[in-house]
Amino acid sequence: KAGVTQTPRYLIKTRGQQVTLSCSPISGHRSVSWYQQTPGQGLQFLFEYFSETQRNKGNFPGRFSGRQFSNSRSEMNVSTLELGDSALYLCASSPGQGPNTEAFFGQGTRLTVV
Amino acid sequence: AQTVTQSQPEMSVQEAETVTLSCTYDTSESDYYLFWYKQPPSRQMILVIRQEAYKQQNATENRFSVNFQKAAKSFSLKISDSQLGDAAMYFCAYRRRGSNYKLTFGKGTLLTVNP
Repeated sequence: KAGVTQTPRYLIKTRGQQVTLSCSPISGHRSVSWYQQTPGQGLQFLFEYFSETQRNKGNFPGRFSGRQFSNSRSEMNVSTLELGDSALYLCASSPGQGPNTEAFFGQGTRLTVV
Repeated sequence: AQTVTQSQPEMSVQEAETVTLSCTYDTSESDYYLFWYKQPPSRQMILVIRQEAYKQQNATENRFSVNFQKAAKSFSLKISDSQLGDAAMYFCAYRRRGSNYKLTFGKGTLLTVNP
């Protein structure tokens, strides 16, 4: 069974640009969550999508948005990039319902804003 | 709001010995899950062990076990017979039970294993 796939693995963008990150969850999983990881703030929850609907949202500005497609693949978009958006962005895949509670993570996308 | 605290930024252990990583959390919920994740230099977050709050028995996975003290809101991870491959950042995480898959993480503990 294929794991969680995040693309691209590395990205360099200029301040003010926008960026789109992609996450393909494990087959059959309907929940996709996004996390930002920085040395200073640690791992912070961005949002969770389940069956194409945002089910939960963290405390991030509106520049951070996401969506989920009918095949459960998810994209995350950051507009008007700031230097502080440089981080490792992790995507987690889960069944989304039922007793199985495990979240499986992708290898992340390392975003550098210059 | 739930918070997770890992008070040990760094720990080291000799190969083959035992080490315990600490985690405390704060929540007003009575039903939740607790996890330990490992993040090696490859950055892949790997689930090490999971504990359901309504289960009194401490979870065990091979060399990894937890000491779950619900009243004290404490959830420590014990690694026995440490191996070089155990070297990584370890994160404690909390998730409320229900249709909410948000994980709240601690700041992490960097574990070094010395040969």
